[in-house]
Amino acid sequence: DQQVKQNSPSLSVQEGRISILNCDYTNSMFDYFLWYKKYPAEGPTFLISISSIKDKNEDGRFTVFLNKSAKHLSLHIVPSQPGDSAVYFCAASENSGYALNFGKGTSLLVTP
Amino acid sequence: DAGVTQSPTHLIKTRGQQVTLRCSPKSGHDTVSWYQQALGQGPQFIFQYYEEEERQRGNFPDRFSGHQFPNYSSELNVNALLLGDSALYLCASSSDVRGEIPYNEQFFGPGTRLTVL
Repeated sequence: DQQVKQNSPSLSVQEGRISILNCDYTNSMFDYFLWYKKYPAEGPTFLISISSIKDKNEDGRFTVFLNKSAKHLSLHIVPSQPGDSAVYFCAASENSGYALNFGKGTSLLVTP
Repeated sequence: DAGVTQSPTHLIKTRGQQVTLRCSPKSGHDTVSWYQQALGQGPQFIFQYYEEEERQRGNFPDRFSGHQFPNYSSELNVNALLLGDSALYLCASSSDVRGEIPYNEQFFGPGTRLTVL
């Protein structure tokens, strides 16, 4: 059963605009959430994380928002750049450092 | 500072064979996790090793086994290969920090692409 869902397989955004990637989860025991970026032929690269005690975390152009009541999180990229084009995975875990449960990913294309 | 390294990069096996994949964690990391990523899917957790013991296991059959060595490197073994085992196998390392900083990101290697014919 898919406990982490990314319902948009792909997203296309113009350079300079905001990219919003969404993720939903079903397991209320998840307490730590992460976003990874993956280029072809490379392993996933950690982007940003958030614990369940927060509702927002920022790191440069990347901001993650967590809505626990809706079991929803989103990643905002502002401004989007062509180098951001990659597959983005949302992941969640019940105890940090243990199993990460991944969504299927969203392919982001940032066009000039 | 070397990140997570995996070998081999690619591997082709036939059904019924056995395979061993290897992983060296990022310097300073003591925990290794293995994931399977099928085409078009997200990575799926196989198991995690800490202090040379399997600490947590995902929903994978006993054909999947592993080992962690004293230097924290790890192996993933798959016996009696099936066509469905064809996937990208990812190793991730992290540091098992106790205390006030509970959360640690897992750092992934480039993966081993296994093809079973």
